[in-house]
Amino acid sequence: AQSVTQPDIHITVSEGASLELRCNYSYGATPYLFWYVQSPGQGLQLLLKYFSGDTLVQGIKGFEAEFKRSQSSFNLRKPSVHWSDAAEYFCAVGNSGYSTLTFGKGTMLLVSP
Amino acid sequence: GAGVSQSPSNKVTEKGKDVELRCDPISGHTALYWYRQSLGQGLEFLIYFQGNSAPDKSGLPSDRFSAERTGGSVSTLTIQRTQQEDSAVYLCASSYVRDTRYGYTFGSGTRLTVV
Repeated sequence: AQSVTQPDIHITVSEGASLELRCNYSYGATPYLFWYVQSPGQGLQLLLKYFSGDTLVQGIKGFEAEFKRSQSSFNLRKPSVHWSDAAEYFCAVGNSGYSTLTFGKGTMLLVSP
Repeated sequence: GAGVSQSPSNKVTEKGKDVELRCDPISGHTALYWYRQSLGQGLEFLIYFQGNSAPDKSGLPSDRFSAERTGGSVSTLTIQRTQQEDSAVYLCASSYVRDTRYGYTFGSGTRLTVV
């Protein structure tokens, strides 16, 4: 069965500093990987996705993520964090084909001035 | 519609009452998913619809939970005899087809509080 681990429950980053949110997945074949963001009281918004090709994917709002098969990781990065990036971030995995996405427990990002 | 619409946005109910939560997916999206989001637990899959049928209802936590979808569009999640542990945000998502590559579009959720 597929699973996702987000090891950090909370992360605090200073505004303007770089950000990396960790995601590790468990799945035997090539996974389909996603990052979603959830602002308070809102649903989840898709930031980016990977299912084939270039292992470095670009998303919205200046985010990027890199798929590393050898480490079973799909970490989310942003070079310079803005206060509006404060939210909860979810990593999700699906398998190749027709499946339901499995989500991690989320990482809450706090941005300090 | 332009997005996934869920109603009500908030629901407070007494323990033991039945509740109905509604999801109106994006027009033309054939796949519809229900998830539950509890504090500190991430998103828990409940049920998946393809058209009006539910090929995967493996995530429904008990027989108090049921869901239906009519006309390949609106879906209703019903919780009977609500318990305090049912308190959570219930999220609905839809996608054009059941192809993982597309990802999902989520609604804003229904926050259910059982008192």
